[in-house]
Amino acid sequence: EAGVAQSPRYKIIEKRQSVAFWCNPISGHATLYWYQQILGQGPKLLIQFQNNGVVDDSQLPKDRFSAERLKGVDSTLKIQPAKLEDSAVYLCASSFEWDTEAFFGQGTRLTVV
Amino acid sequence: ILNVEQSPQSLHVQEGDSTNFTCSFPSSNFYALHWYRWETAKSPEALFVMTLNGDEKKKGRISATLNTKEGYSYLYIKGSQPEDSATYLCASRNAGNNRKLIWGLGTSLAVNP
Repeated sequence: EAGVAQSPRYKIIEKRQSVAFWCNPISGHATLYWYQQILGQGPKLLIQFQNNGVVDDSQLPKDRFSAERLKGVDSTLKIQPAKLEDSAVYLCASSFEWDTEAFFGQGTRLTVV
Repeated sequence: ILNVEQSPQSLHVQEGDSTNFTCSFPSSNFYALHWYRWETAKSPEALFVMTLNGDEKKKGRISATLNTKEGYSYLYIKGSQPEDSATYLCASRNAGNNRKLIWGLGTSLAVNP
């Protein structure tokens, strides 16, 4: 079974630039998560999709972050414009349903300089 | 307890030592407790999903227990090996709070050969 695919693995951008991350979840998984993990902290849920609908985006900084999951499969997370404090690992995860085990991608390490 | 708390924050042990970590979580409206292992440069990997008070689960040399009444879970590693070096994260899901996972900060384990 193929795992959760994310790209790119690493990204370095200057502040005020834009960046986009892509996630392809495990086939058949209805739930997709984007997490932000800042060094020394636990993962913070940014947004959770159930199929192509948003279940929770309460911690997504909507003035600069946006995410979409077209057709209930792949998802993109965008930051525009980036700030220094956005430097983190961005993890995508998927699960069969909202209350089942989540499988994670390898993450995208973003550095904003 | 309103958040998920893990202790210790970090741990260094010698190969062959047994060790354990603690995860404390809100006991009210409890739904499930997840343990994950996150090795450097890899994806977080699910270890256990536990739901019932008194649950004990085991995977090889790693085991976990759950007390939902008092809101804690223990993770045990018997005979630690260098390949066990990782950050161990726990996450709690309540039936309320939009049912999202609340993550601890993790316990960073280093096993010296």
